[in-house]
Amino acid sequence: AQKVTQAQTEISVVEKEDVTLDCVYETRDTTYYLFWYKQPPSGELVFLIRRNSFDEQNEISGRYSWNFQKSTSSFNFTITASQVVDSAVYFCALTPINTGTASKLTFGTGTRLQVTL
Amino acid sequence: KAGVTQTPRYLIKTRGQQVTLSCSPISGHRSVSWYQQTPGQGLQFLFEYFSETQRNKGNFPGRFSGRQFSNSRSEMNVSTLELGDSALYLCASSLRVGANVLTFGAGSRLTVL
Repeated sequence: AQKVTQAQTEISVVEKEDVTLDCVYETRDTTYYLFWYKQPPSGELVFLIRRNSFDEQNEISGRYSWNFQKSTSSFNFTITASQVVDSAVYFCALTPINTGTASKLTFGTGTRLQVTL
Repeated sequence: KAGVTQTPRYLIKTRGQQVTLSCSPISGHRSVSWYQQTPGQGLQFLFEYFSETQRNKGNFPGRFSGRQFSNSRSEMNVSTLELGDSALYLCASSLRVGANVLTFGAGSRLTVL
């Protein structure tokens, strides 16, 4: 069984603050993918990043960065200098690297980020 | 390039009725997955279709069904609606089965009264 835990239900920050969204996962699979998706008020889930379990290198994309630590089963997401447009619900997700079932993602419960002026 | 299109965006039904939701994937994408999103259960996988065949299924009762057409468009059907079926139903497409970078549509929000 797989499980993704996002303990932070809601976070409020003021624009330009840095914010970190936590994600802890459980899986018995030795190889797996981890994801972050963003869900703005319009409803669609927007893909942000995919990381496979072989690669623990941190990644930076503009104001976004991700810290993957296999030893603690965590895949945290940091937004630097947050902006109002970052306000959304963010989901962490997990799937085994198995081409038969890889579209069957297990999602966390999401963290609602509110960025105010 | 058009994204994933879901229709209708909003609908209201009463208990016992049935509903059909439609999903048109990105052109060239052949796999379509469906997810249910509710405040209580979060995002849950319903099923995945590829080449008109169901490839994966989540833990939902038989009242939830789907199909895929030769042009990769997909429909899902929920029969004998219950109040608990009220949810946002999200469709996602990908190039193939196992291509787990999913592109999601905006969803169909179903309210059951």
